[in-house]
Amino acid sequence: ETGVTQSPTHLIKTRGQQVTLRCSSQSGHNTVSWYQQALGQGPQFIFQYYREEENGRGNFPPRFSGLQFPNYSSELNVNALELDDSALYLCASSSGLAGGIEQYFGPGTRLTVT
Amino acid sequence: EDQVTQSPEALRLQEGESSSLNCSYTVSGLRGLFWYRQDPGKGPEFLFTLYSAGEEKEKERLKATLTKKESFLHITAPKPEDSATYLCAGVSGSARQLTFGSGTQLTVLP
Repeated sequence: ETGVTQSPTHLIKTRGQQVTLRCSSQSGHNTVSWYQQALGQGPQFIFQYYREEENGRGNFPPRFSGLQFPNYSSELNVNALELDDSALYLCASSSGLAGGIEQYFGPGTRLTVT
Repeated sequence: EDQVTQSPEALRLQEGESSSLNCSYTVSGLRGLFWYRQDPGKGPEFLFTLYSAGEEKEKERLKATLTKKESFLHITAPKPEDSATYLCAGVSGSARQLTFGSGTQLTVLP
């Protein structure tokens, strides 16, 4: 069974640029959630995708957007990067609304905005 | 607003010295309470799900318990390899999103 994978591992961007982060869900999982984790804090929910549709969103501005593909992999896009966007971005997959509620996390992408 | 608070923020134990981590929560429509372990620079590793007050789950030296307002993670005779940040999260909403606490950073000294 393949776990959740994310790419890239690390990324450095300049304020104002745009970034795309990628996530492949665990085998058999059709739901992907994205979280932002600032240093020393717990992860914060950004949004969730279920069957290619956004299914819930946290308190993040519209410049945070996402996609889910037919193979259930997902992208997180952030436009007009700000210094405060520097964080560990985590992707979690789960087996969907009819399945178990457990979410399994990938290793994360460390984004640094300078 | 959903809220999860963990205490203490940091805990240093000697190897073999048992202790407990606390997680208090105010989460409307709580569907479950999760515990995760997170090593530095890595993603959270799933440990337990608790669904109802009175429930207990165990894994090796860890035991998680749940009341109507709190959850505890008991660590019995910890080893240095148990050193990590332990995160607690409430699950709610149609998206079953996780509301995390800030974590307890556990250091076990040999």
